[in-house]
Amino acid sequence: ETGVTQTPRHLVMGMTNKKSLKCEQHLGHNAMYWYKQSAKKPLELMFVYNFKEQTENNSVPSRFSPECPNSSHLFLHLHTLQPEDSALYLCASSRAHATNEKLFFGSGTQLSVL
Amino acid sequence: KQEVTQIPAALSVPEGENLVLNCSFTDSAIYNLQWFRQDPGKGLTSLLLIQSSQREQTSGRLNASLDKSSGRSTLYIAASQPGDSATYLCAVTLDRLTFGEGTQLTVNP
Repeated sequence: ETGVTQTPRHLVMGMTNKKSLKCEQHLGHNAMYWYKQSAKKPLELMFVYNFKEQTENNSVPSRFSPECPNSSHLFLHLHTLQPEDSALYLCASSRAHATNEKLFFGSGTQLSVL
Repeated sequence: KQEVTQIPAALSVPEGENLVLNCSFTDSAIYNLQWFRQDPGKGLTSLLLIQSSQREQTSGRLNASLDKSSGRSTLYIAASQPGDSATYLCAVTLDRLTFGEGTQLTVNP
């Protein structure tokens, strides 16, 4: 257990659906991240939140909408996704968004878009 | 733009072998380098973090080295076990954490 919990573990959705991914960390960290892991590709950073404020958006399409209501919770709201958005979505946290901080990852949500 | 390359992409060894995984990166002005382990369909577990001022880190049977000037790191696994089977990812921190594609390791009993 890394202290970072993601739900659901698996999600299948149609292109017209709206769904949300949830991430919760019990580590007292102040920075949270969304990463996308597609088959045969390196992990791609999507969003960074530091002390509840979004500090990075890595040119992510607007059909992905993050929300960070407090330092312990992070959501990724999904709507009108495309089949190429099918991937493993990983949440991570760290004490702060700084270059020497270790990241702790959740187990991910495996998303399939039909 | 920082690029991270891991060689080999896949490796299969018999139990008990010592093995080396390689990682190279294009921009040597990194703050640190991390090695992660990922089991199928799961998240990442941080194994070792080497700061830019360090040359190596050790944890149990794992030893990671860093040669910043040449843009290389190696992860040495001693006396490999079937439980070591996983994908090993290297990541470097510059302005952000940049990952390689990983080496998929299979240790056969």
